[in-house]
Amino acid sequence: EAGVAQSPRYKIIEKRQSVAFWCNPISGHATLYWYQQILGQGPKLLIQFQNNGVVDDSQLPKDRFSAERLKGVDSTLKIQPAKLEDSAVYLCASSSLAFSYEQYFGPGTRLTVT
Amino acid sequence: AQRVTQPEKLLSVFKGAPVELKCNYSYSGSPELFWYVQYSRQRLQLLLRHISRESIKGFTADLNKGETSFHLKKPFAQEEDSAMYYCALSGSRDDKIIFGKGTRLHILP
Repeated sequence: EAGVAQSPRYKIIEKRQSVAFWCNPISGHATLYWYQQILGQGPKLLIQFQNNGVVDDSQLPKDRFSAERLKGVDSTLKIQPAKLEDSAVYLCASSSLAFSYEQYFGPGTRLTVT
Repeated sequence: AQRVTQPEKLLSVFKGAPVELKCNYSYSGSPELFWYVQYSRQRLQLLLRHISRESIKGFTADLNKGETSFHLKKPFAQEEDSAMYYCALSGSRDDKIIFGKGTRLHILP
């Protein structure tokens, strides 16, 4: 099966600019996750969708981050405006409802904010 | 508070020697514990979970509730084991997964 797809793979922006990331999960996976992984840290969950509804967004900085999964398939994560501390790898993952612990990760988008 | 601690940032082991990657957790209740692995230039992937009690690629992990530990072990290290290893926990099947900071395992020839 095709894996989780993410784009772009790399992005460099200046602080205060906006940026958007795209994720296409594995076909049939109802649950989609966005993680932020800062250098030297483990992935931190930003938001979890089940189909097109939000299950958990408790760690999403909602003043600048937003995410949507309109048709229950693809998802976009946006940052506006970006700050220096947003420099990180943004990982998308998906899982089936029956095996939510087994998350399949995308390659990630490396964001550098200058 | 839920927390996963991996005390070693880097672990260097000679090929053929035993490997033990340490993981301690803090959780009020009975969590599910996992090990995820990321090989060079590959994606993060699930290695094993404590409930399945299986050996994957020669690795095993035993949940010690008394010591709140879930150390990952392999009796004889192989060069292809070099990777980044993350210990993780989840409160329940539908709960979010919390990752540790990871340990880089470097197998020396």
